[in-house]
Amino acid sequence: NAGVTQTPKFRILKIGQSMTLQCTQDMNHNYMYWYRQDPGMGLKLIYYSVGAGITDKGEVPNGYNVSRSTTEDFPLRLELAAPSQTSVYFCASSNRGGGDYGYTFGSGTRLTVV
Amino acid sequence: DAKTTQPPSMDCAEGRAANLPCNHSTISGNEYVYWYRQIHSQGPQYIIHGLKNNETNEMASLIITEDRKSSTLILPHATLRDTAVYYCIVRVANSGNEKLTFGTGTRLTIIP
Repeated sequence: NAGVTQTPKFRILKIGQSMTLQCTQDMNHNYMYWYRQDPGMGLKLIYYSVGAGITDKGEVPNGYNVSRSTTEDFPLRLELAAPSQTSVYFCASSNRGGGDYGYTFGSGTRLTVV
Repeated sequence: DAKTTQPPSMDCAEGRAANLPCNHSTISGNEYVYWYRQIHSQGPQYIIHGLKNNETNEMASLIITEDRKSSTLILPHATLRDTAVYYCIVRVANSGNEKLTFGTGTRLTIIP
């Protein structure tokens, strides 16, 4: 049981480049989330999904896109990378909205945009 | 979701109980108190949650005051591995509002 798996762990992008951050969970959780964490700050929600085919914006969605074609996968797309997107990105999943067992987080992707 | 207030940092001696306070004076009747921790830039880890009764699991105990306006997370015998940032979050569980909002938390340092 791998839990939530994020790839890559580290990435350096040039301004204007695009990339996809991958997130996969093997716990059959319906709910999945993307957060970003800037240095010394708490996590901010980018996008979330309550099931395959359903996504919604969080607190800081600008500059990002998501899709949820399967229960297992929830990729995050950066189309035109900007220095302000330098951050650590965490994917999470939960069962029934995290009410009983909380969220399970991945180990993060550290992204630097130069 | 109600706002929470936590001290920015705390120290605790190894082997002693670590008591982390959280104020949530605007909590509503159907909001739960959740605690997570984040160890050295890893993904946050769920610890415990409760509504109004005290809760205990293998990791910690959660004490919620009778008026529910504050709570305390207790790590009974702190070890060096408990050094982390601890987040207190209040939210309605299983309501359809699935967004978990993190503040800046308390940075707990366990002193050898």
